[in-house]
Amino acid sequence: AQSVTQLDSHVSVSEGTPVLLRCNYSSSYSPSLFWYVQHPNKGLQLLLKYTSAATLVKGINGFEAEFKKSETSFHLTKPSAHMSDAAEYFCVVTTDTGRRALTFGSGTRLQVQP
Amino acid sequence: DAGVIQSPRHEVTEMGQEVTLRCKPISGHDYLFWYRQTMMRGLELLIYFNNNVPIDDSGMPEDRFSAKMPNASFSTLKIQPSEPRDSAVYFCASRRNRDGEAFFGQGTRLTVV
Repeated sequence: AQSVTQLDSHVSVSEGTPVLLRCNYSSSYSPSLFWYVQHPNKGLQLLLKYTSAATLVKGINGFEAEFKKSETSFHLTKPSAHMSDAAEYFCVVTTDTGRRALTFGSGTRLQVQP
Repeated sequence: DAGVIQSPRHEVTEMGQEVTLRCKPISGHDYLFWYRQTMMRGLELLIYFNNNVPIDDSGMPEDRFSAKMPNASFSTLKIQPSEPRDSAVYFCASRRNRDGEAFFGQGTRLTVV
């Protein structure tokens, strides 16, 4: 069965410094992987997705993620944090079953200090 | 397209009352998902539909919860009777095909007092 583990529940960075949010997955199939962002009291917005094309995926707002099959990882990065990046981030994997529902990680709350 | 539309945005009800949450998916999307989000349990998949047919309802907490999708443009999630522990944000999402990304509605914040 598939699963996704977000290794940090909270990450705090200073504005202008790099961001790294870690995600590991397990899946019997070649998965599709996604990162979503949720700002306070808002819905979930897609940041980027990996669906078996290029392993380095670029998303919105300067975020990118690299799919590493050997490490079963899909870490999210950004070179320089902005105050508006403060939010909850979810790593998501498609399920192994034929219909391919989405399994969410537990989330990482990103704080950006001025 | 206006995106996934959920109503109401906020619902406050008394314990024992029936609650109905509504969702209009994006036109042309074959999949519809209902999720529940709480501080304690995070995002949980309750049920999802493919071409209006319920595929997996194993996440539905108990018989008090039911979901329907009478046509491709409308779905409901009903709780009867509601209990305080049902208080959460309920999200609806739709997806064009089995490998694409899901698009989420703004959610319904349910408070049962």
